[in-house]
Amino acid sequence: QSALTQPASVSGSPGQSITISCTGGSSDVGGYNYVSWYQQHPGKAPKVMIYEVSNRPSGVSNRFSGSKSGNTASLTISGLQAEDEADYYCSSYTTSSTVVFGGGTKLTVL
Amino acid sequence: QVQLVQSGAEVRKPGASVTVSCKASGYTFTGYYLNWVRQAPGQGLEWMGWINSKNGGTNYARKFQGRVTMTRDTSITTAYLELSRLTSDDTAVYYCARASGELRPGPPDDYWGQGTLVTVSS
Repeated sequence: QSALTQPASVSGSPGQSITISCTGGSSDVGGYNYVSWYQQHPGKAPKVMIYEVSNRPSGVSNRFSGSKSGNTASLTISGLQAEDEADYYCSSYTTSSTVVFGGGTKLTVL
Repeated sequence: QVQLVQSGAEVRKPGASVTVSCKASGYTFTGYYLNWVRQAPGQGLEWMGWINSKNGGTNYARKFQGRVTMTRDTSITTAYLELSRLTSDDTAVYYCARASGELRPGPPDDYWGQGTLVTVSS
């Protein structure tokens, strides 16, 4: 099972919006609505920001949103804040009943 | 509140085995699958497998098959990860993480253990 494809890095200025893509195939991202996004700050455990493509857990800012088109899922962060600077990972359920993560994207807030 | 508390850091020599435990509380243990995920220093998240906490069924990532064993003890709501034939490439933080959604496998939800650092060094 190959990792999902994410850009290695993205950046944006405070107040701007950014989008991180996560590309898989029909056996994972394209085949299921079980795509999650995680935020990880250095030395911390990951925190789920989006689950089931577009659902936001309670307590997560509505500046975070998720979507999917075909085999690509996306995480959009609007109104960028300094605290959003972190690593972001996508994850999907697969046809083999396994889970696969993306390689991770480092978000820099300029 | 939901908590997953893992055992402490371990140091092992190459070729040895290690077992990491994950004590769950605050929810119905048998109602959720548990994933094991690892993260090597400076690297991304890597899914290792899951265990069905209700019946003990497992599904391992192909990369670890033959070398990994996941078990659980429902009487003490604890899951275990055993990894054998360790090499330096297994040096990583190992996390247990509850699957989102009851009674089905899937990506982790917001409940992760604190992580256990396993260092493999001669």
